[in-house]
Amino acid sequence: DAEITQSPRHKITETGRQVTLACHQTWNHNNMFWYRQDLGHGLRLIHYSYGVQDTNKGEVSDGYSVSRSNTEDLPLTLESAASSQTSVYFCASSVGGPGNEQFFGPGTRLTVL
Amino acid sequence: QKEVEQNSGPLSVPEGAIASLNCTYSDRGSQSFFWYRQYSGKSPELIMFIYSNGDKEDGRFTAQLNKASQYVSLLIRDSQPSDSATYLCAVNGPNQAGTALIFGKGTTLSVSS
Repeated sequence: DAEITQSPRHKITETGRQVTLACHQTWNHNNMFWYRQDLGHGLRLIHYSYGVQDTNKGEVSDGYSVSRSNTEDLPLTLESAASSQTSVYFCASSVGGPGNEQFFGPGTRLTVL
Repeated sequence: QKEVEQNSGPLSVPEGAIASLNCTYSDRGSQSFFWYRQYSGKSPELIMFIYSNGDKEDGRFTAQLNKASQYVSLLIRDSQPSDSATYLCAVNGPNQAGTALIFGKGTTLSVSS
């Protein structure tokens, strides 16, 4: 069955370290998204991609980067982790078009000490 | 700034009652509206989507859209304890393909048996 996976599921790191969160989908969806979810803020869009080599900044992109070298993967990199980036991170994917469902991965809980 | 507003709750209803969840949005150009359910510690999953004014029913769930009032709601009939979760309203956002979603902060529903 097609699915979207994230790894690691839990990560503890230290301030200043570079961290990469993986997202892999087997739906063959062209659109992929990264969100963070925090109490009091809900889901906020970090970066998104509409296809290979396409990346766009979302609402809270500072301190994060993404690259899209193939259809299946959109890794999220925290260049220099900060305590403010402690959060739960969700990856999602969808087929193109405004009315299509986004499928969410299981999430990665990141703690920056 | 495009916004999606929801009452945070908690909304408490007895088993068998109708739960009414409400959402308002700021962008009159929004075309697609989604309701996601999120259980504690899990990822969001789509319940309903609606594009046109009026009601859309799916089993115990009814989504209602009023574009003139910029208002979308979700009714859950015959509420069950298993419906206890956080419900996220999402609206397609201001980007070229309209596929990135803006989420409200969610309403927590508690159904007591």
